[in-house]
Parts: sequence; structure tokens; C-alpha cells
Amino acid sequence: AQSVAQPEDQVNVAEGNPLTVKCTYSVSGNPYLFWYVQYPNRGLQFLLKYITGDNLVKGSYGFEAEFNKSQTSFHLKKPSALVSDSALYFCAVRDAGTDKLIFGTGTRLQVFP
Amino acid sequence: NAGVTQTPKFQVLKTGQSMTLQCAQDMNHNSMYWYRQDPGMGLRLIYYSASEGTTDKGEVPNGYNVSRLNKREFSLRLESAAPSQTSVYFCALLGTPNTEAFFGQGTRLTVV
Repeated sequence: AQSVAQPEDQVNVAEGNPLTVKCTYSVSGNPYLFWYVQYPNRGLQFLLKYITGDNLVKGSYGFEAEFNKSQTSFHLKKPSALVSDSALYFCAVRDAGTDKLIFGTGTRLQVFP
Repeated sequence: NAGVTQTPKFQVLKTGQSMTLQCAQDMNHNSMYWYRQDPGMGLRLIYYSASEGTTDKGEVPNGYNVSRLNKREFSLRLESAAPSQTSVYFCALLGTPNTEAFFGQGTRLTVV
């Protein structure tokens, strides 16, 4: 069965420091992987995706993510965090053989000045 | 979000009442989804529809029904609302398999 795990409920980081938000997944076929961000009282906004090709994908607002097939991980990263990055981040996986799109439980990122 | 319209935005129901949440799109995407978002639980898939006339259960389908009568619209019905269905509901849609999902702005439902 498809599943996504985000092991950290919250990540705290100082402004200017690098950040990592972790995600691991499980699918039976090839994975399509996504990161979304949600600001308070808003819908979800797309950040980046991995479909195929280069394991390091770059997305919006300076975020990037690294696909690691052997570890079934797709961690979100940013070299230098901003206070405005504080939000709720969701990892999602879609099995290439189905239309089912499953999300993780979310990680709240708090960036302190 | 442009292209995905959810109605209503807010709703308060009494236990046992029924209601239908509507989702309409003008992006001509095949796949549509209903999720619920609860604190600490993330987004959980209720039902999805890969194409007009087809629907499939997601992770938490109990207590809900859906209808995809045409490509544009995907409705979610609560036949007899329960307090456990208090949540924020999101509609989403997907185009080709390698594209990202587009989300509506959500419906905040409270069942008292």
C-alpha cells in the first residue's frame, strides 16, 4: 500500500541556517513525489516534484529536494532559511500506476529571527 | 486557487443533518480528489475519481459518498453528519500523471 511518513511534527531553525524537512515513502511502482506548503488559513501551494531524472530537484522560493531511491526518501532542503518560510509542509506520493495521491501528516517549520 | 472552486467555504451542521460539498474545475483535468485535514493527521484521502463516471475509495471513505457526473464537477456528500466529521475539506485535481495537484481553498465544516 502507498504511504508517506514525515517523522518530525515540527522543525525549528534559526534564520540564515540551512533547513531539512524529512520525508520517506512507500509505493509498489515508480514514485512521483511532491512537496507542498500551507500558510495559515490557506490552501496548499505546490513547491516542487520528482518524476524522473536528476535526483536533486529545485523548486519555488529557493527550496530543493533530494530523491534517494535506496532509502526511499525525498527530503526537502533550503540552504538559508527565512522567517517567511515558517509554514506547514506536506510531502506527497503518487504511484505511477494509479491515480492515488497520498499525503504525509505534515511538518511545521518554525524559523526564528 | 484559480480553476478550482469549492462551495461553501464555511458550514455548521447539526448531528444527523446532510449536506453536499461541491467542487468545480475549469482546467479540464481528469482526476479529482477529496481530502480532509485535521490537526496532527495531515491530509487524508476520502475519495478520488480518475475520470468522469468513476470513483474510488481513499484512506477514510466511511460516512461519505461522492459523485462525478461530468468532468467538471466532483461532489462530496455527508448523509448523516457526525461530530467526527468536523474538519477542513479540500478538493484537488490532477492532469497528466507527472503534473502537480491544484487545490481549492477549502471548506471548513463544523458538526455540532
